[in-house]
Amino acid sequence: EAQVTQNPRYLITVTGKKLTVTCSQNMNHEYMSWYRQDPGLGLRQIYYSMNVEVTDKGDVPEGYKVSRKEKRNFPLILESPSPNQTSLYFCASTHSVVSGYTFGSGTRLTVV
Amino acid sequence: RKEVEQDPGPFNVPEGATVAFNCTYSNSASQSFFWYRQDCRKEPKLLMSVYSSGNEDGRFTAQLNRASQYISLLIRDSKLSDSATYLCVVPRGSGNTGKLIFGQGTTLQVKP
Repeated sequence: EAQVTQNPRYLITVTGKKLTVTCSQNMNHEYMSWYRQDPGLGLRQIYYSMNVEVTDKGDVPEGYKVSRKEKRNFPLILESPSPNQTSLYFCASTHSVVSGYTFGSGTRLTVV
Repeated sequence: RKEVEQDPGPFNVPEGATVAFNCTYSNSASQSFFWYRQDCRKEPKLLMSVYSSGNEDGRFTAQLNRASQYISLLIRDSKLSDSATYLCVVPRGSGNTGKLIFGQGTTLQVKP
């Protein structure tokens, strides 16, 4: 089944403890992207990638890192999480920017 | 003007009604546009893409007005299952990077 898989689905962590949210797609898509969704603010793009080793900042990149060493994987790294990074995170991918993205099921992160 | 602006609603309509949502955008270089549907706490799912003047898929019609810089979504014969938040999505820049801007969404509630 064609899909975008994120892990974990839920995570509670403490301030400052490094964490990685994984994202993997099995559709051989070039484009991948990370979003966060917060009440009243909608979906905001954190980072995006146009292909292996090609990444760029979205609208809210501060406090996040990404890497794209392989086409299928696009992990999101929080080196030192803070409570303001508590949010619902979505990973998405597409083979073409005119086709629309397929989203993963989301990761609900709470930083205490 | 905001980059992407939607009326948040909620739109409360009876089953069988026709309802229309508008979305205005500021990037005149955008070539493709999208409507996504999001159910509560779930991932956004692509509903329709709009490239030229419009697109139709069953009960759903999306229209694009480049001169006035807005896109619309028309839902005919509303079903209870149409209750969701509808997100308008516009590429940033020329749209060839995968960088997207999401509107904050319009909430639709279809009542029996």
